[in-house]
Amino acid sequence: DIQVTQSPSSLSASVGDRVTFTCRASQTIGSYLNWYQLKPGKVPKLLIYAASSLQSGVPSRFSGSGSGTDFTLTISSLQPEDFATYYCQQSYTAPFTFGPGTKVDI
Amino acid sequence: QLQLQESGPGLVKPSETLSLTCTVSGGSISSSTHYWGWIRQPPGKGLEWIGNIYYSGDTYYSSSLKSRLTISLDTSKNQFSLKLSSVTAADTAVYYCARQARATITTAFGVDVWGQGTTVTVSS
Repeated sequence: DIQVTQSPSSLSASVGDRVTFTCRASQTIGSYLNWYQLKPGKVPKLLIYAASSLQSGVPSRFSGSGSGTDFTLTISSLQPEDFATYYCQQSYTAPFTFGPGTKVDI
Repeated sequence: QLQLQESGPGLVKPSETLSLTCTVSGGSISSSTHYWGWIRQPPGKGLEWIGNIYYSGDTYYSSSLKSRLTISLDTSKNQFSLKLSSVTAADTAVYYCARQARATITTAFGVDVWGQGTTVTVSS
């Protein structure tokens, strides 16, 4: 199975900050990497698919980059509603494993 | 607009079988462009991918669960189901049904449609 790791596991930030998270796959996965936002009691939300494609309806302050084994998610200017946990998922080959998440708090 | 809705018991006894059904509305489960699957989140933990099924019936399972797992389709009812046998407290979680876009025969894009999630507790 492809293992997916994320760093950091948590970070503290302020409104307006630019924040970047990292996701790393244990083998090359091309661009088959997705990012999700999860808030307590809410349904996960797809932010980015195929490493850099913005899901419809997602604000443009979210962006993704990378290919191969190393990927990043960037929030250009953190908003109050962005405090959440962010997960990456590889969808190159089943099982489509998730990373352990990065929690963003104030 | 496509919607997914999970249904099934909220409480399952240890060693028994957890059974959930996902009803698809606003679209067909016989789509060749999507996988249908299950994802769970145990309390206080992260997301765990359980498995997918394609309209052809091909299934893809988590390595850690595949010995206990069956995912199936019922195209006549536009539903798909999960059965997880021999459950323990470690299977307590919020279970989501989900749609994931198929990219190629082995790859996919993101999970773009989620059910609301159903909490399943394993306890005697």
